[in-house]
Amino acid sequence: AQSVAQPEDQVNVAEGNPLTVKCTYSVSGNPYLFWYVQYPNRGLQFLLKYITGDNLVKGSYGFEAEFNKSQTSFHLKKPSALVSDSALYFCAVRDNFNKFYFGSGTKLNVKP
Amino acid sequence: DVKVTQSSRYLVKRTGEKVFLECVQDMDHENMFWYRQDPGLGLRLIYFSYDVKMKEKGDIPEGYSVSREKKERFSLILESASTNQTSMYLCASSLWTSEIYEQYFGPGTRLTVT
Repeated sequence: AQSVAQPEDQVNVAEGNPLTVKCTYSVSGNPYLFWYVQYPNRGLQFLLKYITGDNLVKGSYGFEAEFNKSQTSFHLKKPSALVSDSALYFCAVRDNFNKFYFGSGTKLNVKP
Repeated sequence: DVKVTQSSRYLVKRTGEKVFLECVQDMDHENMFWYRQDPGLGLRLIYFSYDVKMKEKGDIPEGYSVSREKKERFSLILESASTNQTSMYLCASSLWTSEIYEQYFGPGTRLTVT
């Protein structure tokens, strides 16, 4: 069965420091992996995706994610965090039947 | 830009009422989804639809039904609302086959059942 795990409920980082939000997955077949961000009282916004090709994918707002097949991970990264990056982040995997499976979410707190 | 709209941002209903949540997308997407979001549980799929009049149960369909009479509209129905259905409800849409694989989400409806 497909599943996504985000092991950290919350990540705290100081502004200007690099950030990582972790995600591991379990999927049969080739994984289609996604990161979404949710600001308070809003829907989810697409950040980036891995479908195939280069393991390092770049997305919106300076975020990037690294696909690691051997570790079945897809961690979200940013070299220098901003206070405005504070939000709830979701990792997701899509199966071959167009169903999406979401992690439980990680709250990112960036402090000035 | 893809736009997914939901009929209400906030809704308060009484136990036992029949509740309709409407979702409309304007990009001719085949797939539409209803999720509920609860703290610590992430998003859980209630129902999805891959074509007009077609529907598939998700992980938590109990107490819900859906309707898709037109391609752009996907409705979620709570036949008899209960307090444990108080939640944030998110609608999403996506293409069936394309280079664009991601889902697009509406702003959400925060439903409170009293």
